[in-house]
Amino acid sequence: QVQLVESGGGLVKPEGSLRLSCAASGFSFSDHFMSWIRQAPGKGLELISYIGISPNTKYYADSVKGRFTISTDNAKNSVYLQMDSLRVEDTAVYYCARLTFSSLDYWGQGTLVTVSS
Amino acid sequence: DVVMTQSPLSLPVTLGQSASISCRSSQSLVNSYGNTHVSWFHQRPGQSPRRLIYKVSNRDSGVPDRFSGSGSGTDFTLKISRVEAEDVGVYYCFQGTHWPQLTFGGGTRVEIK
Repeated sequence: QVQLVESGGGLVKPEGSLRLSCAASGFSFSDHFMSWIRQAPGKGLELISYIGISPNTKYYADSVKGRFTISTDNAKNSVYLQMDSLRVEDTAVYYCARLTFSSLDYWGQGTLVTVSS
Repeated sequence: DVVMTQSPLSLPVTLGQSASISCRSSQSLVNSYGNTHVSWFHQRPGQSPRRLIYKVSNRDSGVPDRFSGSGSGTDFTLKISRVEAEDVGVYYCFQGTHWPQLTFGGGTRVEIK
């Protein structure tokens, strides 16, 4: 069965960096778009980035553009989110999800990122 | 950018009664192939979201038939018939028609009266 497991969250100071990982299993990873969605405490869902089958296909929401970088490693069936210049407002639970036929069909359990001094 | 507006924000329901959630988009969600990519997700407290419905009205595997999606163009509805206690949580609509910015609605919280 499809499984997505995020890791790498934690407490970081403003302007710091963090790298999130999402390990996928149960499907042909290289044949799918993958995405990152975040949810600030008590707030709704925001799709912040996705990467296509071709690694040249990448999207970033304006809120993270220039600071976050998405990448994949097909040999490890993993997608990553490098987060630099973190801000207090980046505090959220970060989910990875598979993006299939214009929908998000499978989600991980999420990893909490807290940006605080 | 497509804005997805859900209503109501909060929906108290009686067990066994039905509930409807509305989602309106700022522009038509029909793509050039005639497909409409609207999904609905349910998030229970402390859990990750789970997809219920895709392409307006298609239920995911394992989703009870109490859940149904409908709509077209810019107006979409999620209906829950015979609400059960496990249905509490927040429901989100999502549009996957207009790339690159794919967007969620703001969410509707369903609670038991």
